[in-house]
Amino acid sequence: DVVLTQTPPTLSATIGQSVSISCRSSQSLLHSNGNTYLHWLLQRPGQSPQLLIYLVSRLESGVPNRFSGSGSGTDFTLKISGVEAEDLGVYYCVQGTHAPYTFGAGTKLELK
Amino acid sequence: QVQLQQSGAELAKPGSSVKISCKASGYTFTSYYISWIKQTTGQGLEYIGYINTGSGGTNYNEKFKGKATLTVDKSSSTAFMQLSSLTPDDSAVYYCARVDYWGQGTLVTVSS
Repeated sequence: DVVLTQTPPTLSATIGQSVSISCRSSQSLLHSNGNTYLHWLLQRPGQSPQLLIYLVSRLESGVPNRFSGSGSGTDFTLKISGVEAEDLGVYYCVQGTHAPYTFGAGTKLELK
Repeated sequence: QVQLQQSGAELAKPGSSVKISCKASGYTFTSYYISWIKQTTGQGLEYIGYINTGSGGTNYNEKFKGKATLTVDKSSSTAFMQLSSLTPDDSAVYYCARVDYWGQGTLVTVSS
């Protein structure tokens, strides 16, 4: 199975600070059809995960544009440009290129 | 609006089975696959498999073959997941998801 390694496991930030989360894959996530099925989810405390970014860099409808995704192959990054209080929670990367789909272990974003 | 409404929490005995439901609304049910995901504190998020809501075809993570059975009732826009031969390791929150929308989760507790 593809292993997704997220770093850091915990991130402390102040409101307004910009932060980045890394997701590294044990295999290239470039599918033979040319798509890269790497997505980012946010799980707020007590809630279900929600989709933030899909296909590496595409912003899900309704998601603020302070969120952005980048990367290719095996290295991917989620950036939050100006953390807001509602951004706190656990961020997961998930890959859908190789079966079975797999998730990173998560990065917990906390207030400093 | 799109909603995936899951059935309530289950308390089950070891060796028994449970069947969780996921009722979809707000969109054409057969236009999207439904995936099922397991969440535990220790193992994080694990992908169980998905069902093609139009054809009923399924794809399972090898780890969950024999444990989970995915079915669908198109007439009621509902997907189901049956978990069999339950052990304490099956205690978890289980989510159904359409990738961009997730159910609220169903807590399954296996205890004698």
